Amino acid sequence: GIQVEQSPPDLILQEGANSTLRCNFSDSVNNLQWFHQNPWGQLINLFYIPSGTKQNGRLSATTVATERYSLLYISSSQTTDSGVYFCAVDPIYNQGGKLIFGQGTELSVKP
Amino acid sequence: ETGVTQTPRHLVMGMTNKKSLKCEQHLGHNAMYWYKQSAKKPLELMFVYNFKEQTENNSVPSRFSPECPNSSHLFLHLHTLQPEDSALYLCASSPRTFGGQLTSGNTIYFGEGSWLTVV
Repeated sequence: GIQVEQSPPDLILQEGANSTLRCNFSDSVNNLQWFHQNPWGQLINLFYIPSGTKQNGRLSATTVATERYSLLYISSSQTTDSGVYFCAVDPIYNQGGKLIFGQGTELSVKP
Repeated sequence: ETGVTQTPRHLVMGMTNKKSLKCEQHLGHNAMYWYKQSAKKPLELMFVYNFKEQTENNSVPSRFSPECPNSSHLFLHLHTLQPEDSALYLCASSPRTFGGQLTSGNTIYFGEGSWLTVV
């Protein structure tokens, strides 16, 4: 089945710094989403981005479907950005009716 | 507020208890999911329901019993759990299940989760 790998696994930033999180996937996909899981456990939808680039405030995401990766950019990071960031994909040859999640990147932003 | 509501948010139960987790979605979606997330681990899919019918049981022990009376409500009945079942249980919904022909725009939304501790 498809492999979804996120890097780095952990990241510590000083407030105000910029960062790039990466999601590699091993097969073609129909659908890719980025999520932020806050310290209280809730998963918040950030982007639905099967291809192209989107921006939402200080966050932006780019998916290059032909090269099978997606990037999440966080600019001017804030302590509220702390948590775990997941990407999830819907493979073209999806036989399970479900999204496949990466292992996540745990981000800690220090004041 | 994602449109998916879970109750209770926190639950402590003994190994001989029977309890239930409840999930309700107000998004008009047809697919609903239960995920389990143990500490420092990725999400594990437990069950998928599509139009009230269970389409996937990801080898979940029978001490977890799902129920989907309609497309808006999903329950997870718990009985004789083990301490290792302590985890965050997340409910989610999407317009339809993933895979197949109609994939464009299908996005998944999660509830706030139910923190379960088995003592």
